[in-house]
Amino acid sequence: GQNIDQPTEMTATEGAIVQINCTYQTSGFNGLFWYQQHAGEAPTFLSYNVLDGLEEKGRFSSFLSRSKGYSYLLLKELQMKDSASYLCAVLDSNYQLIWGAGTKLIIKP
Amino acid sequence: DGGITQSPKYLFRKEGQNVTLSCEQNLNHDAMYWYRQDPGQGLRLIYYSQIVNDFQKGDIAEGYSVSREKKESFPLTVTSAQKNPTAFYLCASSILAEPYEQYFGPGTRLTVT
Repeated sequence: GQNIDQPTEMTATEGAIVQINCTYQTSGFNGLFWYQQHAGEAPTFLSYNVLDGLEEKGRFSSFLSRSKGYSYLLLKELQMKDSASYLCAVLDSNYQLIWGAGTKLIIKP
Repeated sequence: DGGITQSPKYLFRKEGQNVTLSCEQNLNHDAMYWYRQDPGQGLRLIYYSQIVNDFQKGDIAEGYSVSREKKESFPLTVTSAQKNPTAFYLCASSILAEPYEQYFGPGTRLTVT
């Protein structure tokens, strides 16, 4: 079966750094996405990795290791507005997105 | 501005009634998708369409139906056969080329009592 695992909830302090991990087992791999979703709203695209390594985009970075079936999203200089759920999704061999359940990130002042 | 619209934002229905959720996009995307999101679970694919007049079942298609008569529109009907229809429904679209990023509408929260 296809499976994507990420922690259910994490707590961090404003101004700090947090790393959200994602491990996956899927039928094929054509890329990995991270989306941000605020409560009651639609997911919005954060990053895409298809090759191993680190992709940096401002305060957010995403890392991929295909051999380990592992990715992480790194958020720096945390702000209160970063309180949201972060969804990991893998594009499988049929080019369909397989979604993790999401990690709820709570930022404390 | 290009984007995806879903209406209404909130929808209430009585058990046993069919209800249709609308989804319109002006991004000129070929592919459109319907997902269901329940608390504590990932997005689950209901139906998707890659071309007009064609669509495919996703993982949880039972109790749902769709149509794709126009490229811009992909309405979802939640039928009375769907045993647990109360959920947050999200429509998305994408191009059929790398990176296959999906763009989402604002969602419709359906409550059936």
